[in-house]
Amino acid sequence: KQEVTQIPAALSVPEGENLVLNCSFTDSAIYNLQWFRQDPGKGLTSLLLIQSSQREQTSGRLNASLDKSSGRSTLYIAASQPGDSATYLCAVSGGFKTIFGAGTRLFVKA
Amino acid sequence: GAGVSQSPSNKVTEKGKDVELRCDPISGHTALYWYRQSLGQGLEFLIYFQGNSAPDKSGLPSDRFSAERTGGSVSTLTIQRTQQEDSAVYLCASSTRQGSGANVLTFGAGSRLTVL
Repeated sequence: KQEVTQIPAALSVPEGENLVLNCSFTDSAIYNLQWFRQDPGKGLTSLLLIQSSQREQTSGRLNASLDKSSGRSTLYIAASQPGDSATYLCAVSGGFKTIFGAGTRLFVKA
Repeated sequence: GAGVSQSPSNKVTEKGKDVELRCDPISGHTALYWYRQSLGQGLEFLIYFQGNSAPDKSGLPSDRFSAERTGGSVSTLTIQRTQQEDSAVYLCASSTRQGSGANVLTFGAGSRLTVL
């Protein structure tokens, strides 16, 4: 049974800081991993998708890496801004399911 | 449609009543997913549809929960005899197809259910 863990559960940083969010999963038989952003009271927005054959993806200030053999992914956010404050969710897809971690709640202080 | 549409956006009901939540996926998306998010929690997988069939119903919490999809498009999640622990946000997502490495899930805004 796939289990997805995200560390830390919450993070508060000053504006401008670079930060790393961590995601680990127990079953390496996945075909992709996605990072999502969720704002309070809103749905989820897909940020980055890494296919199982890929090692990283970049979009603007975001960079996500995937090490499938060790069951780990990181989301790197450069030069954080108050608008980055949200919950970040990691999701792994395999078989018929996409399983989510509990998320990291990020607060960027101005 | 342009995005995944869910209705109602908010539903308040009394314990014991039945509720129906609707999801209208992106046109052409064959895969459709239902998740539940309780307050402060992560997303709990409920059910997945490929076309009109549901290969995996293992996430449905009890036999009070059922879902159907017709015409390979709109899906309805029905909760019978609602209980207070059913209170949550129910999220629907769709994608082009399951089993693809490039499968990106697009989520609706969710239906917030409150059972009094």
